[in-house]
Amino acid sequence: GEDVEQSLFLSVREGDSSVINCTYTDSSSTYLYWYKQEPGAGLQLLTYIFSNMDMKQDQRLTVLLNKKDKHLSLRIADTQTGDSAIYFCAESYLNTDKLIFGTGTRLQVFP
Amino acid sequence: EPEVTQTPSHQVTQMGQEVILRCVPISNHLYFYWYRQILGQKVEFLVSFYNNEISEKSEIFDDQFSVERPDGSNFTLKIRSTKLEDSAMYFCASTERGEEQFFGPGTRLTVL
Repeated sequence: GEDVEQSLFLSVREGDSSVINCTYTDSSSTYLYWYKQEPGAGLQLLTYIFSNMDMKQDQRLTVLLNKKDKHLSLRIADTQTGDSAIYFCAESYLNTDKLIFGTGTRLQVFP
Repeated sequence: EPEVTQTPSHQVTQMGQEVILRCVPISNHLYFYWYRQILGQKVEFLVSFYNNEISEKSEIFDDQFSVERPDGSNFTLKIRSTKLEDSAMYFCASTERGEEQFFGPGTRLTVL
């Protein structure tokens, strides 16, 4: 079945790069997404990648997809305190538009 | 920038009562969704809605749940007889084509 897993917590120093990882079990995904959730707020779409792509870069964000290992990562360059939030990866599949979310990774950025 | 809005931001209700959660999707979007997030758990899909009918629903979305688009702008989720385990954050989302789902800020439902 569909299962998406993430590590629960990541702590980085301001200015360093953050790498948030996600693994999934179903290889029939069409799109893979990263959402950001700040405290008390909704889910903000950060970026997404089509499943036949390996990499996508958008300013400070780099998404890497390894389909063979079913592994997705989000790299945030020059991490700032404003990047502190919970980050969710999510998948969509052929013939359905529901999103399957991961457990979320809480990113804490310290000065 | 257009955004999905939801009201109320927080709803407290007694077990067994009916609640209606409201959403205003982005105006040119055609596909609408409800998700929920129980505290400390994953965001879970409830239902998708297109062309005035449910296109997909999860096991969670039983007979106690219903959705409606009563006019050209609102999209509602009704829970007929709330249970304690319905306490969660409920998110509405919408998309124009299907790739990018934009989420609202959520309604926190507390069932006492």
